[in-house]
Amino acid sequence: SYVLTQPPSVSVAPGKTARITCGGNNIGSKSVHWYQQKPGQAPVLVIYYYNDRPSGIPERFSGSISGNTASLTISRVEVGDEADYYCQVWDSSSDHWVFGGGTKLTVL
Amino acid sequence: EVQLVESGGGLVQPGGSLRLSCAASGFTFSNYEMNWVRQAPGKGLEWVSYISSSGNIIYYADSVKGRFTISRDNAKNSLFLQMNSLRVEDAAIYSCASLTLTGYNYFDLWGQGTLVTVAS
Repeated sequence: SYVLTQPPSVSVAPGKTARITCGGNNIGSKSVHWYQQKPGQAPVLVIYYYNDRPSGIPERFSGSISGNTASLTISRVEVGDEADYYCQVWDSSSDHWVFGGGTKLTVL
Repeated sequence: EVQLVESGGGLVQPGGSLRLSCAASGFTFSNYEMNWVRQAPGKGLEWVSYISSSGNIIYYADSVKGRFTISRDNAKNSLFLQMNSLRVEDAAIYSCASLTLTGYNYFDLWGQGTLVTVAS
Protein backbone atom coordinates (compact mmCIF):
# COMPACT_ATOMS: atom_id res chain seq x y z
CA SER A 1 0.00 0.00 0.00
CA TYR A 2 1.05 3.57 -0.64
CA VAL A 3 2.85 5.34 2.20
CA LEU A 4 3.29 9.05 2.93
CA THR A 5 6.05 10.01 5.35
CA GLN A 6 6.01 13.24 7.39
CA PRO A 7 8.32 14.44 10.15
CA PRO A 8 6.58 14.16 13.55
CA SER A 9 7.34 17.73 14.50
CA VAL A 10 8.57 21.05 13.17
CA SER A 11 9.36 24.11 15.27
CA VAL A 12 9.57 27.69 14.09
CA ALA A 13 9.72 31.17 15.57
CA PRO A 14 6.94 33.65 14.89
CA GLY A 15 7.49 35.60 11.68
CA LYS A 16 9.78 32.94 10.21
CA THR A 17 9.06 30.36 7.52
CA ALA A 18 7.99 26.79 8.29
CA ARG A 19 8.36 23.96 5.81
CA ILE A 20 6.62 20.63 6.35
CA THR A 21 7.57 17.76 4.07
CA CYS A 22 5.64 14.73 2.83
CA GLY A 23 7.55 11.94 1.12
CA GLY A 24 6.04 9.33 -1.15
CA ASN A 25 7.10 7.17 -4.06
CA ASN A 26 6.50 9.04 -7.32
CA ILE A 27 4.39 11.55 -5.39
CA GLY A 28 4.69 14.01 -8.28
CA SER A 29 2.24 11.84 -10.24
CA LYS A 30 -0.46 12.33 -7.61
CA SER A 31 -2.51 15.29 -6.48
CA VAL A 32 -1.32 16.25 -3.01
CA HIS A 33 -3.56 17.98 -0.49
CA TRP A 34 -2.80 19.46 2.92
CA TYR A 35 -5.00 19.81 6.01
CA GLN A 36 -4.60 21.78 9.22
CA GLN A 37 -6.07 20.34 12.41
CA LYS A 38 -6.21 22.19 15.69
CA PRO A 39 -6.95 20.36 18.98
CA GLY A 40 -10.55 19.25 19.26
CA GLN A 41 -11.42 20.49 15.79
CA ALA A 42 -12.10 18.90 12.44
CA PRO A 43 -9.37 19.11 9.79
CA VAL A 44 -9.41 22.14 7.50
CA LEU A 45 -8.12 22.01 3.94
CA VAL A 46 -5.34 24.56 3.43
CA ILE A 47 -3.82 23.47 0.09
CA TYR A 48 -5.27 21.30 -2.66
CA TYR A 49 -3.90 20.05 -5.96
CA TYR A 50 -0.29 20.83 -5.06
CA ASN A 51 -0.59 24.64 -4.59
CA ASP A 52 -4.17 25.85 -4.76
CA ARG A 53 -5.69 27.55 -1.73
CA PRO A 54 -9.36 27.29 -0.74
CA SER A 55 -11.21 30.50 -0.13
CA GLY A 56 -10.24 32.03 3.19
CA ILE A 57 -6.80 30.46 3.44
CA PRO A 58 -4.05 33.12 3.64
CA GLU A 59 -1.50 33.48 0.86
CA ARG A 60 1.13 32.65 3.48
CA PHE A 61 0.29 28.98 2.84
CA SER A 62 1.77 27.40 -0.27
CA GLY A 63 2.57 23.97 -1.62
CA SER A 64 5.26 22.54 -3.86
CA ILE A 65 6.72 19.30 -5.19
CA SER A 66 10.31 18.28 -5.76
CA GLY A 67 11.23 14.74 -6.67
CA ASN A 68 9.55 12.33 -4.26
CA THR A 69 8.73 15.03 -1.71
CA ALA A 70 5.81 17.42 -1.41
CA SER A 71 6.11 20.42 0.87
CA LEU A 72 3.79 22.77 2.67
CA THR A 73 5.39 26.14 3.31
CA ILE A 74 3.98 28.64 5.77
CA SER A 75 5.50 32.10 5.51
CA ARG A 76 5.48 34.70 8.26
CA VAL A 77 4.31 32.10 10.75
CA GLU A 78 1.80 33.23 13.37
CA VAL A 79 1.01 31.74 16.76
CA GLY A 80 -2.39 30.80 15.40
CA ASP A 81 -0.75 28.50 12.83
CA GLU A 82 0.24 26.09 15.59
CA ALA A 83 -1.52 22.84 14.70
CA ASP A 84 -1.11 19.36 13.25
CA TYR A 85 -0.69 19.24 9.49
CA TYR A 86 -1.49 16.25 7.29
CA CYS A 87 -0.73 15.56 3.64
CA GLN A 88 -3.12 13.37 1.67
CA VAL A 89 -3.30 11.71 -1.73
CA TRP A 90 -5.59 9.28 -3.54
CA ASP A 91 -3.82 6.08 -4.54
CA SER A 92 -5.39 5.01 -7.81
CA SER A 93 -3.72 1.59 -7.75
CA SER A 94 -5.67 0.59 -4.65
CA ASP A 95 -8.58 3.07 -4.70
CA HIS A 96 -7.57 4.12 -1.24
CA TRP A 97 -7.21 7.59 0.27
CA VAL A 98 -3.91 7.92 2.14
CA PHE A 99 -2.85 10.36 4.84
CA GLY A 100 0.63 11.11 6.04
CA GLY A 101 1.29 10.49 9.72
CA GLY A 102 0.96 14.18 10.52
CA THR A 103 3.38 16.90 11.62
CA LYS A 104 2.93 18.94 14.76
CA LEU A 105 3.91 22.53 14.09
CA THR A 106 5.08 24.34 17.19
CA VAL A 107 5.45 28.11 17.13
CA LEU A 108 8.09 28.99 19.69
CA GLU B 1 -25.88 25.90 7.18
CA VAL B 2 -23.77 23.29 5.42
CA GLN B 3 -22.88 20.60 7.93
CA LEU B 4 -22.32 16.95 8.73
CA VAL B 5 -23.29 15.60 12.16
CA GLU B 6 -22.26 12.15 13.32
CA SER B 7 -23.92 10.05 15.99
CA GLY B 8 -24.00 6.51 17.31
CA GLY B 9 -20.64 6.27 19.01
CA GLY B 10 -20.18 4.75 22.44
CA LEU B 11 -18.54 2.08 24.50
CA VAL B 12 -18.57 -1.47 23.13
CA GLN B 13 -16.79 -4.65 24.11
CA PRO B 14 -14.26 -6.31 21.81
CA GLY B 15 -16.13 -8.44 19.29
CA GLY B 16 -19.20 -6.25 19.54
CA SER B 17 -21.02 -4.13 16.97
CA LEU B 18 -21.95 -0.50 16.54
CA ARG B 19 -23.75 1.49 13.84
CA LEU B 20 -22.67 5.05 13.16
CA SER B 21 -24.79 7.65 11.38
CA CYS B 22 -23.95 10.90 9.67
CA ALA B 23 -26.69 13.45 8.97
CA ALA B 24 -26.06 15.90 6.16
CA SER B 25 -27.75 19.28 5.78
CA GLY B 26 -27.41 22.47 3.78
CA PHE B 27 -26.31 20.83 0.53
CA THR B 28 -27.51 18.28 -2.03
CA PHE B 29 -26.26 15.14 -0.30
CA SER B 30 -27.13 12.84 -3.18
CA ASN B 31 -24.57 14.57 -5.41
CA TYR B 32 -21.64 13.85 -3.12
CA GLU B 33 -19.34 10.90 -2.68
CA MET B 34 -18.88 10.27 1.03
CA ASN B 35 -16.26 8.79 3.32
CA TRP B 36 -15.56 7.77 6.88
CA VAL B 37 -12.24 8.82 8.38
CA ARG B 38 -11.09 7.92 11.88
CA GLN B 39 -8.55 9.24 14.34
CA ALA B 40 -7.39 7.22 17.31
CA PRO B 41 -6.68 9.25 20.46
CA GLY B 42 -3.43 11.15 19.99
CA LYS B 43 -2.88 9.61 16.56
CA GLY B 44 -3.17 10.66 12.95
CA LEU B 45 -5.98 10.54 10.41
CA GLU B 46 -6.87 7.20 8.82
CA TRP B 47 -9.26 6.82 5.89
CA VAL B 48 -11.78 4.03 6.56
CA SER B 49 -14.30 3.76 3.75
CA TYR B 50 -15.76 5.41 0.62
CA ILE B 51 -19.17 5.25 -1.03
CA SER B 52 -20.14 6.78 -4.37
CA SER B 53 -23.01 9.24 -4.67
CA SER B 54 -25.44 6.53 -5.79
CA GLY B 55 -24.03 3.90 -3.43
CA ASN B 56 -22.99 1.45 -6.13
CA ILE B 57 -19.22 1.80 -5.64
CA ILE B 58 -17.67 1.11 -2.24
CA TYR B 59 -14.08 0.85 -1.00
CA TYR B 60 -12.63 -0.08 2.37
CA ALA B 61 -9.29 0.26 4.09
CA ASP B 62 -7.58 -3.09 4.52
CA SER B 63 -7.80 -2.72 8.31
CA VAL B 64 -11.62 -2.83 8.29
CA LYS B 65 -12.48 -4.82 5.16
CA GLY B 66 -14.84 -7.68 5.93
CA ARG B 67 -15.88 -6.18 9.29
CA PHE B 68 -17.28 -2.74 8.42
CA THR B 69 -20.09 -1.89 5.97
CA ILE B 70 -20.72 1.58 4.59
CA SER B 71 -24.13 2.56 3.24
CA ARG B 72 -26.24 5.64 2.55
CA ASP B 73 -29.85 6.75 2.27
CA ASN B 74 -30.04 9.70 -0.10
CA ALA B 75 -33.74 10.21 0.60
CA LYS B 76 -32.86 10.82 4.26
CA ASN B 77 -29.57 12.64 3.63
CA SER B 78 -27.77 10.09 5.74
CA LEU B 79 -24.57 8.06 5.71
CA PHE B 80 -23.97 4.98 7.82
CA LEU B 81 -21.14 2.76 9.02
CA GLN B 82 -21.98 -0.66 10.41
CA MET B 83 -19.05 -1.89 12.46
CA ASN B 84 -18.88 -5.56 13.44
CA SER B 85 -16.24 -7.68 15.20
CA LEU B 86 -14.81 -4.55 16.77
CA ARG B 87 -11.25 -4.63 18.05
CA VAL B 88 -9.45 -2.52 20.64
CA GLU B 89 -7.51 -0.90 17.79
CA ASP B 90 -10.76 0.34 16.21
CA ALA B 91 -11.21 2.82 19.07
CA ALA B 92 -11.20 6.30 17.57
CA ILE B 93 -13.19 9.36 16.69
CA TYR B 94 -15.08 8.53 13.49
CA SER B 95 -15.87 11.42 11.18
CA CYS B 96 -17.79 11.54 7.97
CA ALA B 97 -16.35 13.65 5.18
CA SER B 98 -17.56 14.61 1.74
CA LEU B 99 -15.37 14.35 -1.31
CA THR B 100 -14.95 17.47 -3.41
CA LEU B 101 -16.90 17.64 -6.66
CA THR B 102 -13.80 18.96 -8.43
CA GLY B 103 -12.44 15.48 -9.05
CA TYR B 104 -9.22 16.13 -7.15
CA ASN B 105 -10.06 13.58 -4.45
CA TYR B 106 -9.78 15.72 -1.34
CA PHE B 107 -12.23 16.06 1.54
CA ASP B 108 -13.95 19.42 1.59
CA LEU B 109 -16.45 19.08 4.44
CA TRP B 110 -15.95 17.24 7.71
CA GLY B 111 -18.17 16.47 10.66
CA GLN B 112 -16.95 16.86 14.24
CA GLY B 113 -16.94 13.12 14.75
CA THR B 114 -18.35 10.55 17.17
CA LEU B 115 -16.20 8.68 19.67
CA VAL B 116 -16.03 4.90 19.60
CA THR B 117 -14.44 3.20 22.58
CA VAL B 118 -13.69 -0.53 22.45
CA ALA B 119 -12.87 -1.98 25.85
CA SER B 120 -13.91 -4.75 28.16
